[in-house]
Amino acid sequence: AQSVTQLDSQVPVFEEAPVELRCNYSSSVSVYLFWYVQYPNQGLQLLLKYLSGSTLVKGINGFEAEFNKSQTSFHLRKPSVHISDTAEYFCAVSRNTGGFKTIFGAGTRLFVKA
Amino acid sequence: GAGVSQTPSNKVTEKGKYVELRCDPISGHTALYWYRQSLGQGPEFLIYFQGTGAADDSGLPNDRFFAVRPEGSVSTLKIQRTERGDSAVYLCASSQGAPPDTQYFGPGTRLTVL
Repeated sequence: AQSVTQLDSQVPVFEEAPVELRCNYSSSVSVYLFWYVQYPNQGLQLLLKYLSGSTLVKGINGFEAEFNKSQTSFHLRKPSVHISDTAEYFCAVSRNTGGFKTIFGAGTRLFVKA
Repeated sequence: GAGVSQTPSNKVTEKGKYVELRCDPISGHTALYWYRQSLGQGPEFLIYFQGTGAADDSGLPNDRFFAVRPEGSVSTLKIQRTERGDSAVYLCASSQGAPPDTQYFGPGTRLTVL
């Protein structure tokens, strides 16, 4: 079985500062990894995903994440945040063979302050 | 193009009643997921359809929950004898295929059981 732990429930940060949202996963098999974002009053949308190959994945809105197999982590980063990045961010995992279930973390609320 | 739609957007019912929640996926998407999201939590997988068949229903919490997708497009999540603990936002997502294909989420149905 897979599980996802998002280490911070809330992350306040000032506008134009860098941010890192942490995600660790547990799995006995190889996995795909995802970050989703949920803006206020909107549905979840995919930010980026890791399938294989390069461990640094770039997504939409200037976000990127790095897959670290030895540390079972998939942290999300952005070098300079905007007020509009205020949202809930979810890390998710699914097994990469024979699996359909996607397991989500509890979410991290990013709050960008002016 | 049209995204995933869910109806109703809000549903208030009394304990013990039966409810049906509807999901209209993106046209042409063969894969469909149902999730449940409780306050302060990430989406919890319920069931996955590939076409008309439920390929993975391991997330359904008990036999009061049932879902159908008779023609491979619209899906209905059915909950019998509702309990207060069923109160949550029920999310539907569709994708072209199984993970890692991108899931596109609907806005959700907020179910409140009084």
